[in-house]
Amino acid sequence: EAGVAQSPRYKIIEKRQSVAFWCNPISGHATLYWYQQILGQGPKLLIQFQNNGVVDDSQLPKDRFSAERLKGVDSTLKIQPAKLEDSAVYLCASSLGGGRTEAFFGQGTRLTVV
Amino acid sequence: GENVEQHPSTLSVQEGDSAVIKCTYSDSASNYFPWYKQELGKRPQLIIDIRSNVGEKKDQRIAVTLNKTAKHFSLHITETQPEDSAVYFCALLSGGGADGLTFGKGTHLIIQP
Repeated sequence: EAGVAQSPRYKIIEKRQSVAFWCNPISGHATLYWYQQILGQGPKLLIQFQNNGVVDDSQLPKDRFSAERLKGVDSTLKIQPAKLEDSAVYLCASSLGGGRTEAFFGQGTRLTVV
Repeated sequence: GENVEQHPSTLSVQEGDSAVIKCTYSDSASNYFPWYKQELGKRPQLIIDIRSNVGEKKDQRIAVTLNKTAKHFSLHITETQPEDSAVYFCALLSGGGADGLTFGKGTHLIIQP
């Protein structure tokens, strides 16, 4: 089975610039998550989609982060403007039916803000 | 949100010995407890999980135990091998409406030859 695809793999930007990440979940997976993993820490949930609706975005810094999942498949996560503390790996994950089923992670996008 | 404390942060064991990693939590409504393994530069991958109606689950050299009364769960790896070297994360799902996992800070397991 094809896994969760993410692009780009790496991105370096200057602070105050904007950046966007793309995720294509496993076919048929209704639930999609974006996690932020800062170096040396566990992943932290940013936003969860069920099909194309937002289920939980309580930890998303909405003044600078936005995400959408059009047509309930692919998703994009945007940061505008970026701050130094946004440097992290952004992981996309998907699952068949919510948190009680296995979440499959993508390889992640490593963002460095300089 | 729910917090999960994971210990130790680093664990070094001799090849062939056992390794135990423990996590504690506070929300008694938590009902799903997966463990993920993350090798350097790679994605987290599920290695075992347990649900709140079960006390223990085994899969070959890996086992997870859950003590709901004490609110802790542990990962046990027996007969450790070099390929077990990685960062291990415990996680949990709260009993609330959202389905996103809350992760611990991770344990760097080092298998000494």
